[in-house]
Amino acid sequence: TQLLEQSPQFLSIQEGENLTVYCNSSSVFSSLQWYRQEPGEGPVLLVTVVTGGEVKKLKRLTFQFGDARKDSSLHITAAQPGDTGLYLCAGDPTNKLIFGTGTLLAVQP
Amino acid sequence: DAGVTQSPTHLIKTRGQHVTLRCSPISGHKSVSWYQQVLGQGPQFIFQYYEKEERGRGNFPDRFSARQFPNYSSELNVNALLLGDSALYLCASSLAGVGNQPQHFGDGTRLSIL
Repeated sequence: TQLLEQSPQFLSIQEGENLTVYCNSSSVFSSLQWYRQEPGEGPVLLVTVVTGGEVKKLKRLTFQFGDARKDSSLHITAAQPGDTGLYLCAGDPTNKLIFGTGTLLAVQP
Repeated sequence: DAGVTQSPTHLIKTRGQHVTLRCSPISGHKSVSWYQQVLGQGPQFIFQYYEKEERGRGNFPDRFSARQFPNYSSELNVNALLLGDSALYLCASSLAGVGNQPQHFGDGTRLSIL
Protein backbone atom coordinates (compact mmCIF):
# COMPACT_ATOMS: atom_id res chain seq x y z
CA THR A 1 0.00 0.00 0.00
CA GLN A 2 1.43 3.33 -1.13
CA LEU A 3 0.90 5.85 1.65
CA LEU A 4 2.27 8.86 -0.20
CA GLU A 5 0.71 9.96 -3.47
CA GLN A 6 2.49 12.54 -5.58
CA SER A 7 1.06 14.68 -8.33
CA PRO A 8 1.60 15.24 -11.09
CA GLN A 9 3.38 12.05 -12.14
CA PHE A 10 5.06 13.75 -15.09
CA LEU A 11 5.75 17.37 -15.85
CA SER A 12 7.46 18.85 -18.89
CA ILE A 13 7.93 22.62 -18.84
CA GLN A 14 9.99 25.34 -20.45
CA GLU A 15 12.93 27.00 -18.76
CA GLY A 16 11.78 29.93 -16.65
CA GLU A 17 8.34 28.56 -15.77
CA ASN A 18 7.14 27.93 -12.23
CA LEU A 19 5.76 24.62 -10.98
CA THR A 20 4.38 22.92 -7.88
CA VAL A 21 4.63 19.26 -6.93
CA TYR A 22 2.27 17.81 -4.33
CA CYS A 23 2.72 14.97 -1.86
CA ASN A 24 -0.43 13.76 -0.11
CA SER A 25 -1.30 11.13 2.44
CA SER A 26 -4.15 10.09 4.69
CA SER A 27 -1.59 9.38 7.41
CA VAL A 28 0.11 11.81 9.76
CA PHE A 29 3.89 11.98 9.53
CA SER A 30 6.27 13.29 12.15
CA SER A 31 8.35 14.66 9.29
CA LEU A 32 8.63 14.50 5.52
CA GLN A 33 11.74 14.53 3.40
CA TRP A 34 12.15 15.60 -0.23
CA TYR A 35 14.73 14.01 -2.51
CA ARG A 36 15.82 14.57 -6.09
CA GLN A 37 17.13 11.70 -8.17
CA GLU A 38 18.99 12.12 -11.44
CA PRO A 39 19.41 9.30 -13.98
CA GLY A 40 21.98 6.72 -12.94
CA GLU A 41 22.28 8.09 -9.42
CA GLY A 42 20.73 7.54 -6.03
CA PRO A 43 18.29 10.04 -4.48
CA VAL A 44 19.82 13.10 -2.84
CA LEU A 45 18.14 14.71 0.13
CA LEU A 46 16.94 18.27 -0.48
CA VAL A 47 15.15 19.10 2.76
CA THR A 48 13.35 17.73 5.80
CA VAL A 49 10.21 19.44 7.09
CA VAL A 50 9.23 18.70 10.66
CA THR A 51 6.71 21.21 11.99
CA GLY A 52 3.14 21.50 10.69
CA GLY A 53 2.85 24.64 8.55
CA GLU A 54 6.62 24.90 8.19
CA VAL A 55 8.05 26.56 5.09
CA LYS A 56 11.64 26.03 4.03
CA LYS A 57 13.45 27.65 1.13
CA LEU A 58 16.42 26.30 -0.77
CA LYS A 59 17.37 28.87 -3.42
CA ARG A 60 14.54 28.68 -5.99
CA LEU A 61 12.84 25.75 -4.22
CA THR A 62 10.18 26.30 -1.55
CA PHE A 63 8.96 23.42 0.57
CA GLN A 64 5.85 23.49 2.73
CA PHE A 65 4.54 20.99 5.29
CA GLY A 66 0.79 20.93 5.77
CA ASP A 67 -0.69 22.10 9.05
CA ALA A 68 -2.00 18.59 9.77
CA ARG A 69 1.32 17.03 8.74
CA LYS A 70 -0.40 14.85 6.12
CA ASP A 71 0.81 16.62 3.03
CA SER A 72 3.63 18.67 1.59
CA SER A 73 4.40 20.68 -1.51
CA LEU A 74 7.46 21.68 -3.46
CA HIS A 75 7.38 24.87 -5.52
CA ILE A 76 10.12 25.68 -7.99
CA THR A 77 10.45 29.22 -9.27
CA ALA A 78 11.98 29.95 -12.68
CA ALA A 79 12.86 26.33 -13.40
CA GLN A 80 16.22 25.57 -14.98
CA PRO A 81 17.28 22.54 -17.06
CA GLY A 82 19.43 21.49 -14.10
CA ASP A 83 16.23 20.98 -12.09
CA THR A 84 15.37 18.02 -14.32
CA GLY A 85 14.99 14.80 -12.34
CA LEU A 86 12.70 12.58 -10.31
CA TYR A 87 11.37 14.33 -7.22
CA LEU A 88 10.42 12.10 -4.32
CA CYS A 89 8.79 12.80 -1.00
CA ALA A 90 9.37 10.34 1.83
CA GLY A 91 8.13 9.80 5.36
CA ASP A 92 8.73 7.40 8.21
CA PRO A 93 5.42 6.21 9.69
CA THR A 94 6.70 3.00 11.30
CA ASN A 95 10.48 2.98 11.40
CA LYS A 96 10.78 2.43 7.67
CA LEU A 97 11.15 5.17 5.11
CA ILE A 98 8.23 5.18 2.69
CA PHE A 99 8.69 6.99 -0.62
CA GLY A 100 6.03 8.66 -2.67
CA THR A 101 5.13 7.66 -6.21
CA GLY A 102 7.49 10.29 -7.61
CA THR A 103 7.20 13.24 -9.99
CA LEU A 104 9.35 13.16 -13.09
CA LEU A 105 10.25 16.71 -14.09
CA ALA A 106 11.78 17.67 -17.43
CA VAL A 107 12.78 21.29 -17.97
CA GLN A 108 13.35 22.14 -21.62
CA PRO A 109 15.89 24.86 -22.48
CA ASP B 1 35.02 11.36 2.72
CA ALA B 2 33.67 8.56 0.59
CA GLY B 3 29.93 8.33 0.18
CA VAL B 4 27.88 5.17 0.22
CA THR B 5 29.40 2.64 -2.15
CA GLN B 6 27.59 -0.26 -3.73
CA SER B 7 28.86 -3.20 -5.72
CA PRO B 8 28.51 -4.35 -8.34
CA THR B 9 27.09 -1.46 -10.36
CA HIS B 10 25.43 -3.74 -12.87
CA LEU B 11 24.54 -7.41 -12.80
CA ILE B 12 22.82 -9.80 -15.17
CA LYS B 13 21.34 -13.03 -13.85
CA THR B 14 18.91 -15.67 -15.05
CA ARG B 15 15.74 -16.88 -13.42
CA GLY B 16 16.28 -19.20 -10.47
CA GLN B 17 19.77 -17.95 -9.66
CA HIS B 18 20.69 -16.11 -6.50
CA VAL B 19 22.48 -12.79 -6.09
CA THR B 20 24.40 -10.96 -3.39
CA LEU B 21 24.61 -7.18 -3.43
CA ARG B 22 27.01 -5.26 -1.22
CA CYS B 23 26.95 -1.88 0.45
CA SER B 24 29.51 0.12 2.41
CA PRO B 25 28.03 2.98 4.44
CA ILE B 26 29.52 6.37 5.06
CA SER B 27 32.16 6.16 7.77
CA GLY B 28 30.51 6.56 11.17
CA HIS B 29 27.04 5.62 9.96
CA LYS B 30 25.57 2.66 11.82
CA SER B 31 22.30 2.23 9.96
CA VAL B 32 21.89 0.73 6.50
CA SER B 33 18.65 0.42 4.56
CA TRP B 34 17.90 -1.37 1.30
CA TYR B 35 15.38 -0.31 -1.35
CA GLN B 36 14.13 -1.66 -4.65
CA GLN B 37 13.32 0.86 -7.36
CA VAL B 38 11.51 0.06 -10.56
CA LEU B 39 12.10 2.53 -13.40
CA GLY B 40 10.16 5.77 -12.97
CA GLN B 41 8.78 4.88 -9.54
CA GLY B 42 9.76 5.67 -5.99
CA PRO B 43 12.02 3.29 -4.08
CA GLN B 44 10.30 0.52 -2.10
CA PHE B 45 11.66 -0.23 1.36
CA ILE B 46 13.10 -3.73 1.80
CA PHE B 47 15.12 -3.79 5.04
CA GLN B 48 16.69 -1.57 7.64
CA TYR B 49 19.58 -2.63 9.86
CA TYR B 50 20.96 -0.75 12.82
CA GLU B 51 23.87 -1.95 14.92
CA LYS B 52 23.75 -5.29 13.10
CA GLU B 53 20.12 -5.96 13.99
CA GLU B 54 17.12 -5.90 11.68
CA ARG B 55 14.95 -2.94 12.67
CA GLY B 56 12.48 -2.88 9.80
CA ARG B 57 11.23 -5.10 7.00
CA GLY B 58 9.13 -4.17 4.01
CA ASN B 59 6.58 -6.24 2.13
CA PHE B 60 8.98 -8.51 0.30
CA PRO B 61 9.02 -12.33 0.14
CA ASP B 62 11.36 -14.49 2.19
CA ARG B 63 13.57 -14.88 -0.88
CA PHE B 64 14.98 -11.53 0.17
CA SER B 65 17.35 -11.47 3.12
CA ALA B 66 20.06 -9.20 4.41
CA ARG B 67 22.63 -8.84 7.10
CA GLN B 68 24.93 -6.20 8.56
CA PHE B 69 28.50 -6.88 9.53
CA PRO B 70 30.52 -5.56 12.52
CA ASN B 71 32.04 -2.86 10.28
CA TYR B 72 28.44 -1.78 9.42
CA SER B 73 28.68 -2.85 5.79
CA SER B 74 25.75 -4.86 4.55
CA GLU B 75 24.71 -7.50 2.05
CA LEU B 76 21.36 -8.05 0.39
CA ASN B 77 20.69 -11.58 -0.83
CA VAL B 78 17.95 -12.61 -3.20
CA ASN B 79 17.29 -16.29 -3.92
CA ALA B 80 15.33 -17.96 -6.71
CA LEU B 81 15.39 -14.85 -8.87
CA LEU B 82 12.29 -13.94 -10.83
CA LEU B 83 11.93 -11.69 -13.86
CA GLY B 84 10.10 -9.22 -11.61
CA ASP B 85 13.18 -8.79 -9.46
CA SER B 86 14.76 -6.74 -12.23
CA ALA B 87 15.25 -3.31 -10.71
CA LEU B 88 17.69 -0.82 -9.28
CA TYR B 89 18.66 -1.82 -5.74
CA LEU B 90 19.61 1.12 -3.58
CA CYS B 91 21.43 1.18 -0.29
CA ALA B 92 21.24 4.13 2.09
CA SER B 93 23.09 4.85 5.30
CA SER B 94 22.36 7.15 8.20
CA LEU B 95 23.91 7.93 11.55
CA ALA B 96 21.20 6.22 13.57
CA GLY B 97 17.81 4.70 12.79
CA VAL B 98 15.42 6.03 10.15
CA GLY B 99 13.04 8.58 11.71
CA ASN B 100 14.14 12.10 10.88
CA GLN B 101 17.64 10.95 9.95
CA PRO B 102 18.76 12.03 6.47
CA GLN B 103 19.36 9.00 4.29
CA HIS B 104 22.50 9.05 2.15
CA PHE B 105 22.09 6.87 -0.91
CA GLY B 106 24.55 5.04 -3.06
CA ASP B 107 24.12 4.99 -6.82
CA GLY B 108 22.65 1.50 -6.72
CA THR B 109 23.10 -1.87 -8.37
CA ARG B 110 21.18 -2.34 -11.60
CA LEU B 111 20.00 -5.97 -11.60
CA SER B 112 18.64 -7.48 -14.79
CA ILE B 113 17.03 -10.91 -14.81
CA LEU B 114 16.87 -12.78 -18.13
